[in-house]
Amino acid sequence: GAVVSQHPSWVICKSGTSVKIECRSLDFQATTMFWYRQFPKQSLMLMATSNEGSKATYEQGVEKDKFLINHASLTLSTLTVTSAHPEDSSFYICSAGPLLGDQFEQYFGPGTRLTVT
Amino acid sequence: GNSVTQMEGPVTLSEEAFLTINCTYTATGYPSLFWYVQYPGEGLQLLLKATKADDKGSNKGFEATYRKETTSFHLEKGSVQVSDSAVYFCALSRGATNKLIFGTGTLLAVQP
Repeated sequence: GAVVSQHPSWVICKSGTSVKIECRSLDFQATTMFWYRQFPKQSLMLMATSNEGSKATYEQGVEKDKFLINHASLTLSTLTVTSAHPEDSSFYICSAGPLLGDQFEQYFGPGTRLTVT
Repeated sequence: GNSVTQMEGPVTLSEEAFLTINCTYTATGYPSLFWYVQYPGEGLQLLLKATKADDKGSNKGFEATYRKETTSFHLEKGSVQVSDSAVYFCALSRGATNKLIFGTGTLLAVQP
């Protein structure tokens, strides 16, 4: 149980185009989802907290207009990288949780590798 | 601010060797502490956690004790297996937001 999927697993796009990444909780409902970015040999950096039915909360230094987050249902959050540039190339990971009654655990998706050429 | 520092890898061990991966943290108050594991091609999974000082988290033969006096949460296992090869992340969480702050991750490679 508590499986989170991401789609696509990898994507290559041209500079200036937009890319949408989906994060789904497959067997549970998630009022909160988190989006992280991971650079090679570096830690996961929290980008934003996505709450179902309300605006996402972005971490300091993350551009809201560049990284659009939508959490329209209890099982789906999307991250759209707008007007992508090579410096946006990275590994994007989402998580969902906690489950009702479990204060702490988050469940992570397998990640999406974005390459901007 | 809050931060997590863990030892750099890769850590290469032979099967049945003893494992220690060091993790120290900086935080105000009393954070919750976690170890996550990422197997090749998979998402991060919670390995163990501790929510208050002197708590010991344990799972799959791994242990870590929340040491407030040394602000540490070192991961240990008495006898590693090849299947333990993965990247291990130390993390902390504070407050009601459940935001996680991660260390840089340590790659463990266990050789038969």
